[in-house]
Amino acid sequence: DADVTQTPRNRITKTGKRIMLECSQTKGHDRMYWYRQDPGLGLRLIYYSFDVKDINKGEISDGYSVSRQAQAKFSLSLESAIPNQTALYFCATSAPGTGSPEAFFGQGTRLTVV
Amino acid sequence: AQSVTQPDIHITVSEGASLELRCNYSYGATPYLFWYVQSPGQGLQLLLKYFSGDTLVQGIKGFEAEFKRSQSSFNLRKPSVHWSDAAEYFCAVVPYAGNNRKLIWGLGTSLAVNP
Repeated sequence: DADVTQTPRNRITKTGKRIMLECSQTKGHDRMYWYRQDPGLGLRLIYYSFDVKDINKGEISDGYSVSRQAQAKFSLSLESAIPNQTALYFCATSAPGTGSPEAFFGQGTRLTVV
Repeated sequence: AQSVTQPDIHITVSEGASLELRCNYSYGATPYLFWYVQSPGQGLQLLLKYFSGDTLVQGIKGFEAEFKRSQSSFNLRKPSVHWSDAAEYFCAVVPYAGNNRKLIWGLGTSLAVNP
């Protein structure tokens, strides 16, 4: 099984709908991240969480919200989806306190808003 | 501001040819340095990393990277490219201190491999 699991893998939704993307990890990492990937724009950070009670906005948080339900679970919500939120979304984890700050990624969720 | 630059947006090489992907960072002290690969339809996989010590690091899939402090560079190389290496490659850094130790990403280099 994957260490970082995202559900769903693909989703098509209509404009104005609320949608939740879920992420769970078995790595025991304290930090979790949500990124958005668009062609030519690389990875942009939406939200990140250092632990269950510490959630922070990234560079493009408008229109998104998150919930850290447990150390292993970090969900991303689009309260009212719009077409320009069509993108590939990635969840990632890291544990810089271990001395190795690299991120580990899920397989991604391809979201299409029509 | 801290930044990571990958000057080449897209590169095409022939199978069997050598490859070098460039990465430069803007940061006062030597950060942690990473290369990731994203195959089509997949998540990002860590190819290699540099923290300290030997400036030439070996990674998975036959890749290596060399850290050059004087040039603030961490270029990725492979002696002989295989068709399966076609993918998006991302360079990333984590400042040694500050920035809450978050990754700073380059915009990526898309690699195409001709048969």
